[in-house]
Amino acid sequence: GAVVSQHPSWVICKSGTSVKIECRSLDFQATTMFWYRQFPKQSLMLMATSNEGSKATYEQGVEKDKFLINHASLTLSTLTVTSAHPEDSSFYICSATQTGNLYEQYFGPGTRLTVT
Amino acid sequence: GESVGLHLPTLSVQEGDNSIINCAYSNSASDYFIWYKQESGKGPQFIIDIRSNMDKRQGQRVTVLLNKTVKHLSLQIAATQPGDSAVYFCAENYDQGAQKLVFGQGTRLTINP
Repeated sequence: GAVVSQHPSWVICKSGTSVKIECRSLDFQATTMFWYRQFPKQSLMLMATSNEGSKATYEQGVEKDKFLINHASLTLSTLTVTSAHPEDSSFYICSATQTGNLYEQYFGPGTRLTVT
Repeated sequence: GESVGLHLPTLSVQEGDNSIINCAYSNSASDYFIWYKQESGKGPQFIIDIRSNMDKRQGQRVTVLLNKTVKHLSLQIAATQPGDSAVYFCAENYDQGAQKLVFGQGTRLTINP
């Protein structure tokens, strides 16, 4: 149980275009979903926290107008990277917490974004 | 500010030996700590967790030790296997209201045959 999926697993886009990444909790309702970014050989850095039906909370230094987060249901959150640039190339990982168990985060498999 | 760090970026051990991965944290108010394993190109995989009211917790082949006095966390893996090769991250819950996690820099564990 407690499986989180991401789609796509990898994506290549051209500079200036936008790309959407989906994060789904497959067998539970996710109270909160988190989006992380991980550059090569580095740790995970939290980008934003989203709760279903409300605006996401962004970490300091993360541009909310560039990284649009929508958490429309208890099983789906999307991250849209707008006007992507090569420096946005990274591994994007989402996680979700389950209602009634707010401590444990279940991580998705990640999405590799390459901007050319 | 809050940060979680690791003492060693890489660690190599012989198959069958025990390994110890260390982590230092800075926020004394953190009440929950987790160890994750991340294989190349994959998301983090939960290994074991511990709350601040405990100093030791054991799982299958893994043990986490928490020393709040010196703000130190360690992960012990017994009888290492080739499949244990990965990057290991510690994480602390520093914002209890928002359940946010801060990850350490990671230690790459390599198991030599």
